[in-house]
Amino acid sequence: GESVGLHLPTLSVQEGDNSIINCAYSNSASDYFIWYKQESGKGPQFIIDIRSNMDKRQGQRVTVLLNKTVKHLSLQIAATQPGDSAVYFCAENIDSGGYQKVTFGTGTKLQVIP
Amino acid sequence: NAGVTQTPKFRVLKTGQSMTLLCAQDMNHEYMYWYRQDPGMGLRLIHYSVGEGTTAKGEVPDGYNVSRLKKQNFLLGLESAAPSQTSVYFCASSYLKLAQVDEQFFGPGTRLTVL
Repeated sequence: GESVGLHLPTLSVQEGDNSIINCAYSNSASDYFIWYKQESGKGPQFIIDIRSNMDKRQGQRVTVLLNKTVKHLSLQIAATQPGDSAVYFCAENIDSGGYQKVTFGTGTKLQVIP
Repeated sequence: NAGVTQTPKFRVLKTGQSMTLLCAQDMNHEYMYWYRQDPGMGLRLIHYSVGEGTTAKGEVPDGYNVSRLKKQNFLLGLESAAPSQTSVYFCASSYLKLAQVDEQFFGPGTRLTVL
C-alpha cells in the first residue's frame, strides 16, 4: 500500500553541525514532495519542495535530495541552529483528478543541543 | 494578512456534545482542508473543499461534517463527540496553480479533548 514514513523519530544534533532527516515513500507515482516544519504549539510550515523529476533542490540552508531508485527523500539542514528545533514532516503529493492528494509522514523531532 | 486562523484554540467536551470549529483564511485560496494530528501519527485528512459550496471526504471523515458557505471560511462540525476524537485539529488552505506545487498554509491548531 501507499505509505510515507520516517526512519528516525528523534534526531539530536549539536548546534552548528549539519542535520539530515530521512523519509521513505512507497508510491512511485507521486508528483512531488514537500518538507514541512512544525514548531511546538504551531501548525506545520512549508520549507521546501522537490518535483519527482528532480534529484536535488537547494534553499536557504536546506537541501532536499530525492532518490527515486530506493524511494528515499532526505532533508539536509546546514549549520543547524536552535531555531531549527522542531518536528519535520515529509509529505508526498499525487494529482488525484484536479485535487492534490497529500500523504504526510509521522514526523521526526529535531533537537538542537546548544 | 492574518493568514489562516482557527477558533477556538482549546476546547473540552463531554461525550455526546456537539461543537463547530471555525477556520478562516484571508488569502483568497480556493482549497481548504481539515486535518487531525494524533501522537505518533502524521496529519490525517478529515475533509477538504476545492471551492465555495463544495466539500469532499478525506481519509478519516466519520463523525465529522463540514461546510464551505463562504470562500474564506471552512467549518468542521462534530455531531456527537467521542473520546476517540480527542486530537489537535489543523485547518489549511492553498491556491493550486496549474503545474505548480500546492503549498498548504496551516492555522495554529485547535486542541480538543473529549471526556
